[in-house]
Amino acid sequence: AAGVIQSPRHLIKEKRETATLKCYPIPRHDTVYWYQQGPGQDPQFLISFYEKMQSDKGSIPDRFSAQQFSDYHSELNMSSLELGDSALYFCASSEPRTSSYNEQFFGPGTRLTVL
Amino acid sequence: AQTVTQSQPEMSVQEAETVTLSCTYDTSESDYYLFWYKQPPSRQMILVIRQEAYKQQNATENRFSVNFQKAAKSFSLKISDSQLGDAAMYFCAYRRPLLGFGNEKLTFGTGTRLTIIP
Repeated sequence: AAGVIQSPRHLIKEKRETATLKCYPIPRHDTVYWYQQGPGQDPQFLISFYEKMQSDKGSIPDRFSAQQFSDYHSELNMSSLELGDSALYFCASSEPRTSSYNEQFFGPGTRLTVL
Repeated sequence: AQTVTQSQPEMSVQEAETVTLSCTYDTSESDYYLFWYKQPPSRQMILVIRQEAYKQQNATENRFSVNFQKAAKSFSLKISDSQLGDAAMYFCAYRRPLLGFGNEKLTFGTGTRLTIIP
């Protein structure tokens, strides 16, 4: 079965650089969630999209922006990178509301290291 | 805001034995969903088991079962016949009722690292 694809899997950047993380949801999934997991921490919700519109926003820095495109893939753009942005970034997708659980399927994550 | 608390940063269990991981949460909503996720060294997030708050019956998935106490806002995970492959970080997570439209973010606890002793 198809899974959520995230690219790149690993990314190394210098401080003050920019980074773009990409997420390709499972086919026919219309909702995407982004989470950030710092070292030794639990995942924290950043932002979500439904049908190409931002639907919810968490503790996402103003330096970050994201969008969902017409093919439902999503990109997280991060500018003026700081050392504290080093983390594992997860994307999760869910399908149109077909069951009460509406499970979120997680991608393998992108590990961002800021030097 | 909803909060999820896992008071056991680390747990260990002998292989083939049973272990219980604790989770409490705080919410003012009457209907919601609770999940246990497993994160092995690969860092992949794997759904272990889920529970809907309005269902009285505790969820079970093979060797994994939960003890859901709604009044106490407690949601513990029991792993029976522990196996070496169960070694991982386990996260308890809360989600609001399904509204659709991408408003169902997961709120995670801080995790419990489970070690299996051969």
